[in-house]
Amino acid sequence: DTAVSQTPKYLVTQMGNDKSIKCEQNLGHDTMYWYKQDSKKFLKIMFSYNNKELIINETVPNRFSPKSPDKAHLNLHINSLELGDSAVYFCASSLTRSGEQFFGPGTRLTVL
Amino acid sequence: TQLLEQSPQFLSIQEGENLTVYCNSSSVFSSLQWYRQEPGEGPVLLVTVVTGGEVKKLKRLTFQFGDARKDSSLHITAAQPGDTGLYLCAGVKSSGYSTLTFGKGTMLLVSP
Repeated sequence: DTAVSQTPKYLVTQMGNDKSIKCEQNLGHDTMYWYKQDSKKFLKIMFSYNNKELIINETVPNRFSPKSPDKAHLNLHINSLELGDSAVYFCASSLTRSGEQFFGPGTRLTVL
Repeated sequence: TQLLEQSPQFLSIQEGENLTVYCNSSSVFSSLQWYRQEPGEGPVLLVTVVTGGEVKKLKRLTFQFGDARKDSSLHITAAQPGDTGLYLCAGVKSSGYSTLTFGKGTMLLVSP
């Protein structure tokens, strides 16, 4: 059984489009995250939700909007995509805010 | 300013060699985690160290947490091609908001 799943695995789109990435975890964790990993492999946190509430919102353009319909899901919607948004986006979850994080397989976003 | 500095950034070695990867900071951490990320996948936790001076072993991997809990090292003995991947350290600060902060990682390539 997949612990943290993301869809889609690959996303290729044109500049200016709006797209969403979905994330689901079946671990019963309270905290979920979105990370962006750039071409240099730096893993940078974007958002963190605890029990459906936003607790971390790093300096991310407001074109990025996370939505948590319930504890098991944290989706990421991106408006007006730009070339610089191309990266691998990882969803993760943890039982506690400082505990082990379980990562999804990543979504490779390419903006043309 | 990067909270956690990892060195080296990239390491290419032959099978059978030993290596050490370092994770340094000027901040004190209540715990430090090491993750390995293989190509096309998300990071996976290897170990968590909590006590200053703690040493943990995972087969050929030895992890050490500095006495002052500001740094950590990962030593691999007799590296194998299967050890290839991105090694990330992540720390939970002793003060302030307790969430993980990742270093930029060390990319290890072990050739047969």
